[in-house]
Amino acid sequence: QSALTQPASVSGSPGQSITISCTGTSSDVGGYNYVSWYQQHPGKAPKLMIYDVSNRPSGVSNRFSGSKSGNTASLTISGLQAEDEADYYCSSYTSSSNYVFGTGTKVTVL
Amino acid sequence: QVQLQESGPGLVKPSQTLSLTCTVSGGSISSGGYYWSWIRQHPGKGLEWIGYIYYSGSTYYNPSLKSRVTISVDTSKNQFSLKLSSVTAADTAVYYCARYTVTTFDYWGQGTLVTVSS
Repeated sequence: QSALTQPASVSGSPGQSITISCTGTSSDVGGYNYVSWYQQHPGKAPKLMIYDVSNRPSGVSNRFSGSKSGNTASLTISGLQAEDEADYYCSSYTSSSNYVFGTGTKVTVL
Repeated sequence: QVQLQESGPGLVKPSQTLSLTCTVSGGSISSGGYYWSWIRQHPGKGLEWIGYIYYSGSTYYNPSLKSRVTISVDTSKNQFSLKLSSVTAADTAVYYCARYTVTTFDYWGQGTLVTVSS
């Protein structure tokens, strides 16, 4: 199984909105509404930000939102803040009860 | 609040077996409803799913690692474990344990670095 494809880096100024894409296939992203997004700060464990395409766990800011169209999922961060600077990974359930992560995107707040 | 904690040797020799344990607190593995998973991250790289186990013992492994991976569960200790055989330098990574809800990984351990070196 191949990793889901994400842009290596995305940047934005404080207050702006940015969107990170996550492209897979009909066997993963396109086939199931089980896309998640994780935020990872340096030296820390990943933190769940979005699950099941667009649901936010309790405690996660509503500045984070998720969506999906076909084989591509997206994470949007609105009102960008300095604390949002981190690596972001998408993930998806796949056929045969497997699981796959994205290649990761480094978000820089300018 | 569920908490997970990895433990095990930080250094493993090439060709040997890597063994890690994840201790779960704040919830019982045997209560069902969740799978218990291992995920790794090579230095400076992305995340790689290794596999997961249900309390009953049912397992699912990443096809690329399946021949070398064994995940087991000890419900009496509320722990689950990872064994990765015939390791090489390419298995050097931070290993995380996590709870899998069938659609997502919602709780993660802090991670433990395992270095493969002689």
